Amino acid sequence: QVQLVESGGALVRPGGSLRLSCVASGFTFRDYYMTWIRQAPGKGLEWVSYISNNGSTIYYADSVKGRFTISRDNAKNSLYLQMDSLRAEDTAVYYCAREVLSTLSWFDPWGQGTLVTVSS
Amino acid sequence: DIQMTQSPSSLSASVGDRVTITCRASQSIRSYLNWYQQKPGKAPKLLIYAASSLQSGVPSRFSGSGSGTDFTLTISSLQPEDFAAYYCQQSYSSPYSFGQGTKLEIK
Repeated sequence: QVQLVESGGALVRPGGSLRLSCVASGFTFRDYYMTWIRQAPGKGLEWVSYISNNGSTIYYADSVKGRFTISRDNAKNSLYLQMDSLRAEDTAVYYCAREVLSTLSWFDPWGQGTLVTVSS
Repeated sequence: DIQMTQSPSSLSASVGDRVTITCRASQSIRSYLNWYQQKPGKAPKLLIYAASSLQSGVPSRFSGSGSGTDFTLTISSLQPEDFAAYYCQQSYSSPYSFGQGTKLEIK
């Protein structure tokens, strides 16, 4: 079945770095845009970044622009999020999601999430 | 950027009730509107895409409507498993923003 599994979440100090991974299975990964979405504890959902199927188009939320880098390795069915200069406000569960594109688009499925905690 | 506003932020209802959640966009997003359900400790799950299309496997008691700036998610007869948080999301333009969420609780 279609599945996404994130990893890499951890406790990190402010100013530190972390790399999240998302491994896909059950579908042709190289055919799909992929997205990172986060959720701070007790808060709502915040879209973070997306990358096109071949990596040529990338977009970031203003809140992470210049600090986070999204990438993918289609040979490994993997999506990544390099997070640098981390701040306390980056503390959240990070989800990867497949973007289904037709005339419109939506996110399905989502991974189970990985928790990033930024604290000294 | 497009702002998405949901109402209410929380809602208490009983099993069997009909419930409507509203989502308003700060500008027209045509039918580029999706709804997700999130249960505690779990990832969000797609319910409705393109404003009114029911995702495969989702019970028919869920329905969506609207276009332009105003949208609704309706649950025709609440079941115990429907008590969760619900989020709308626009895919009209980046950044793809979400509403702040509606928490549906048992009365």
